[in-house]
Amino acid sequence: AQTVTQSQPEMSVQEAETVTLSCTYDTSENNYYLFWYKQPPSRQMILVIRQEAYKQQNATENRFSVNFQKAAKSFSLKISDSQLGDTAMYFCAFRAGAQKLVFGQGTRLTINP
Amino acid sequence: KAGVTQTPRYLIKTRGQQVTLSCSPISGHRSVSWYQQTPGQGLQFLFEYFSETQRNKGNFPGRFSGRQFSNSRSEMNVSTLELGDSALYLCASSLFIGQNEKLFFGSGTQLSVL
Repeated sequence: AQTVTQSQPEMSVQEAETVTLSCTYDTSENNYYLFWYKQPPSRQMILVIRQEAYKQQNATENRFSVNFQKAAKSFSLKISDSQLGDTAMYFCAFRAGAQKLVFGQGTRLTINP
Repeated sequence: KAGVTQTPRYLIKTRGQQVTLSCSPISGHRSVSWYQQTPGQGLQFLFEYFSETQRNKGNFPGRFSGRQFSNSRSEMNVSTLELGDSALYLCASSLFIGQNEKLFFGSGTQLSVL
């Protein structure tokens, strides 16, 4: 069974700083996708970024980028120039084929003014 | 295009009752999945439907059930409610089922069992 682990329950940084959220996963699959979702106080989960396992190039979406280390089964999220609106819970997730989406426990990120 | 709509937003029930939650996916989306979110257990997968058929099921007791209608709208039902069923129930929709499918989530139904 696949597992996803986020070792940082909470993080806090100042506005405009760069922050990195950690995620590790365990799987025997070779082809899969990894995701980072953001859940603001409105509760609606929003996809931030996704990475295909067979693509070596790290995905980027504006201020958000990932560091995908397939051999180490690590998938961290970097947020550059953090903004107050980035304050939210962040969930790392894994999916292989048509199997269920598996989430980590989440990291509560607070951006301070 | 309207997003994923979940109703009701909040619900209070007592132990032993049953509850039905509703999810209307984005127009054109044929897959709907359900998740339970609690502070202790995080996000747990409940089930996933595509074209009215259950395709995946999580590790929940039989008290949790769901269905999908021909218009892709989905409902989940929890019978004989227990205190531990108090949670945020999230629904997500996508065009198809697959690892590269982008999921669009609703704002959830917050269920409190007293």
